[in-house]
Formats: sequence, structure tokens, C-alpha cells
Amino acid sequence: SQTIHQWPATLVQPVGSPLSLECTVEGTSNPNLYWYRQAAGRGLQLLFYSVGIGQISSEVPQNLSASRPQDRQFILSSKKLLLSDSGFYLCAWSVGTGGEGETQYFGPGTRLLVL
Amino acid sequence: GQSLEQPSEVTAVEGAIVQINCTYQTSGFYGLSWYQQHDGGAPTFLSYNALDGLEETGRFSSFLSRSDSYGYLLLQELQMKDSASYFCAPDDSWGKLQFGAGTQVVVTP
Repeated sequence: SQTIHQWPATLVQPVGSPLSLECTVEGTSNPNLYWYRQAAGRGLQLLFYSVGIGQISSEVPQNLSASRPQDRQFILSSKKLLLSDSGFYLCAWSVGTGGEGETQYFGPGTRLLVL
Repeated sequence: GQSLEQPSEVTAVEGAIVQINCTYQTSGFYGLSWYQQHDGGAPTFLSYNALDGLEETGRFSSFLSRSDSYGYLLLQELQMKDSASYFCAPDDSWGKLQFGAGTQVVVTP
């Protein structure tokens, strides 16, 4: 069966510090991978998605970046965190060719608090 | 442009029926997904409608009208564990999901 891991589960970082969040998927090959951010009480904002190794599409311009060094690994990074980067970061995967009905499966998320 | 509307909160008692409406406007459209998210948890998939009509999965049903850009999620025989946020999410030409702010469902005894 497929599983998705995210770490760390929670993180408290000072403003201006760097960030690295990691997501890995097991039990599937060549998944589509996504990073979302959710502010408290709000919906999910798609940040990045990837259809393959080294292929990253950015949805929202900001001080975050994403990389996919391996097929089932997706990393979210920042060189300098802002207060507005606080939120619940969710990684998700799906399998398909970008057509209809691709269910997305979410990881447990990382709660980031920037102080 | 793109837009997504659903009520912010719905309150109902155990055993009742709740309908969460969703209207959307997207540049492309393949279908409408519904996700459930309990407080502090990750979203989980509930249902998907690609064609007009009703899809039933246990106590939950989802409906889609493509011509009206409208769908709804029907929660029947409400249980306390159904207290959660529910998101409708249309998928566009690539398969990216557009999530709205969600509907908080509060189930009372």
C-alpha cells in the first residue's frame, strides 16, 4: 500500500531563518506531487506541483522554492522565512496523467510557526 | 476568472441531513471532488463527480450539474464524528484541484 510521510510534524523558526520540509511517498512510482499551505481556518493554497524528477511548477510567487531530487521525494525550502510563512504545510500525491478523477492523498502535514 | 463559493459554516443535530452547496468558476473543468478535514488533520478524499448526477457512498452523496457549475455534498444520518471542514475542489485541465475556504460542519447532540 502507498504511504506518504512528512517531517517534521511541527516547527518553530525565527524570522529570516532557512526552511527545509521533506515529503516522501512509498509504494508508488512516478507520482504527481504537490505542496499546499493552509492558514488557520482557511482553505488550501497550492504552492508547487511536480509531474516528475526536476519538473516543478510554481503556482504562487513567493520566497519559497521546491525541489524533487528523487522520484518520490519532494522538498519545500526557503532561504529566509517571513512571518507570513506560518501555516500548515501539506504534501500530497496522485497518480495519473493529469486527466480527470485524480484523487490526491495528503500527508500528515507540518505546522510551521515563524516568530 | 476563477471562483469557488461554499457556505462557511453549517450546524445540525445528530441524525439530521446536511447539504453543502458549491458553485465554481474555473478556466477548465474535468470534475468536482469533495474532501473532509478534521481539526488538526490532513484532508481525506470523500467523492468525485465527473458526470452530472448523484454519486452515493454510504451516508455521503455528491451531486454535480456541469451546466450550472454547481454541486453539493449531502451528509445523511449525521454523527458527531462528521464534525469537520468539507471542501469542494474542482479540477482544471491539468488535474490541479482548486480548494475553497471550506464549510465547517458542527454536529450537536
